[in-house]
Amino acid sequence: NAGVMQNPRHLVRRRGQEARLRCSPMKGHSHVYWYRQLPEEGLKFMVYLQKENIIDESGMPKERFSAEFPKEGPSILRIQQVVRGDSAAYFCASSPSGGEDNEQFFGPGTRLTVL
Amino acid sequence: GESVGLHLPTLSVQEGDNSIINCAYSNSASDYFIWYKQESGKGPQFIIDIRSNMDKRQGQRVTVLLNKTVKHLSLQIAATQPGDSAVYFCAENRDGGSNYKLTFGKGTLLTVNP
Repeated sequence: NAGVMQNPRHLVRRRGQEARLRCSPMKGHSHVYWYRQLPEEGLKFMVYLQKENIIDESGMPKERFSAEFPKEGPSILRIQQVVRGDSAAYFCASSPSGGEDNEQFFGPGTRLTVL
Repeated sequence: GESVGLHLPTLSVQEGDNSIINCAYSNSASDYFIWYKQESGKGPQFIIDIRSNMDKRQGQRVTVLLNKTVKHLSLQIAATQPGDSAVYFCAENRDGGSNYKLTFGKGTLLTVNP
C-alpha cells in the first residue's frame, strides 16, 4: 500500500510565477491536510480538505494561495505570483476520516524555492 | 510567538544511552499531543500520542510523559540507536476537539553517536 505521494519533490520558480503542488493521499483516505515548514521551524497547518470540500482553511494566507481536492485526482495546493517568502517545504498528510483518533500520515514534501 | 517548543535545540547521545527530549506548551485547552520524527528530506513520522487525561504512555522503546501542571511534554527513547537520529517535533491540538488541527513546535535535533 503506497504511502502519501507528493510531486514534484523539488520545485523552483521565479518571482511572479505560479506553483502547483500535488498530493495523492493513501489508498482509502478521503481527508487531506496541507502544512508549510520553514527552515528549522515546525510545520504550520494551512488547510484541511475532504473530497470536493474545504473544511478548514484558517491557516491559508488570504491571498495568492488556494487548495482543492477534486472528486477525481490529487489534491492541489496552488500558489499564484510566488514571492521569496513562499520558499518552504510543503507537506501533505492524509487520514481515513477527520474525526478523533485518526493519525495523519505525511508525504515526503515538496520543497519550493523561489528565486 | 510560538507556544510549543523553543529555538531548535540539539541533543547528542551515545548509542545505547537513553534520550529525553522536552517540549513546553502554553495552551491549557490543548488536550491531545503527538510526537513526530522527521528524518532529513522526509515527512514527519508518527511516533506516539497522548491525551490530557493521561500522564504517561508507553510504546516500543518510547515513553511520553505529560505534566499538565507545568505544561510540559517529554519523549523518552530507550537504548537509542543511530537510526533514531532525526529531528523530533511535539505537536498539540490547541482547539480542543478538533484533533486534525495540530500546532508543531520547532523541533529538537537528536544525534546518536556510534
